[in-house]
Amino acid sequence: AQRVTQPEKLLSVFKGAPVELKCNYSYSGSPELFWYVQYSRQRLQLLLRHISRESIKGFTADLNKGETSFHLKKPFAQEEDSAMYYCALGDTGRRALTFGSGTRLQVQP
Amino acid sequence: DAGVIQSPRHEVTEMGQEVTLRCKPISGHNSLFWYRQTMMRGLELLIYFNNNVPIDDSGMPEDRFSAKMPNASFSTLKIQPSEPRDSAVYFCASSRNRGLRPTPGANVLTFGAGSRLTVL
Repeated sequence: AQRVTQPEKLLSVFKGAPVELKCNYSYSGSPELFWYVQYSRQRLQLLLRHISRESIKGFTADLNKGETSFHLKKPFAQEEDSAMYYCALGDTGRRALTFGSGTRLQVQP
Repeated sequence: DAGVIQSPRHEVTEMGQEVTLRCKPISGHNSLFWYRQTMMRGLELLIYFNNNVPIDDSGMPEDRFSAKMPNASFSTLKIQPSEPRDSAVYFCASSRNRGLRPTPGANVLTFGAGSRLTVL
C-alpha cells in the first residue's frame, strides 16, 4: 500500500534560516513525488515535482530512493513561505495522489 | 480558464440534513478527484473518476457518502444524512490523462478552492 509520512505537523523558523520539510514514502513501484503548498486563504497548488528537477521559489527537493525520502529544502526562508505544505505520491497505475498529513511552516520575522 | 470551480464555498447545516457539494473541473480534464481535508487526518482521497466513470471509491467513509459525475463538466458529492464528524473542507481536483494508463508526469492535479462544511 502507498503511504506518505510527514513527521512534523509544525515547523517554525526565523527569516533567513534554512528550511527542511521532511517527507518519507512507502511504495514498491516507481514513484512520482510532488510537493503541494496551500497559502492562507488560497487553494492548494503544485509547488514542484521530482520529475522536473526544478527549483521553485527557491525550494528544491531530491528524490532519494534508497531512503525513500523527498525532503523539501530552502536555504533561506522568507516570511512569504509561511504556508501548509503537503507531500504527495503518485504512480502510473493509479491516477489519484496519496497525500501526507501536511506540515505547517511558520517563518517568523 | 477559471480553474476548478466548487460550490458552495461554505455550508453550515444541522445534523441529519442532506448536503450536496458541486464541482466543475477544468475543461478538457478527464480525471476528477474528491478529497477531504481535516486537521487530524490531512488530505484523504474519497473517490476519483476517469472519463466520468468512478474508478476508486475505497476512500468513501460509509454509505452516507455518494458521488456522481453525470457528464465531463460536473460532479457532485452528497452526504445524507450529515453528521458533525463530517465537518471538514472538501476539495475537488481535476487532471488530464491520455490513454488507458497515465504517463509519467501526468499526475498533476489542479485543485478547487474547497467547500468548507460545518455540521452542527
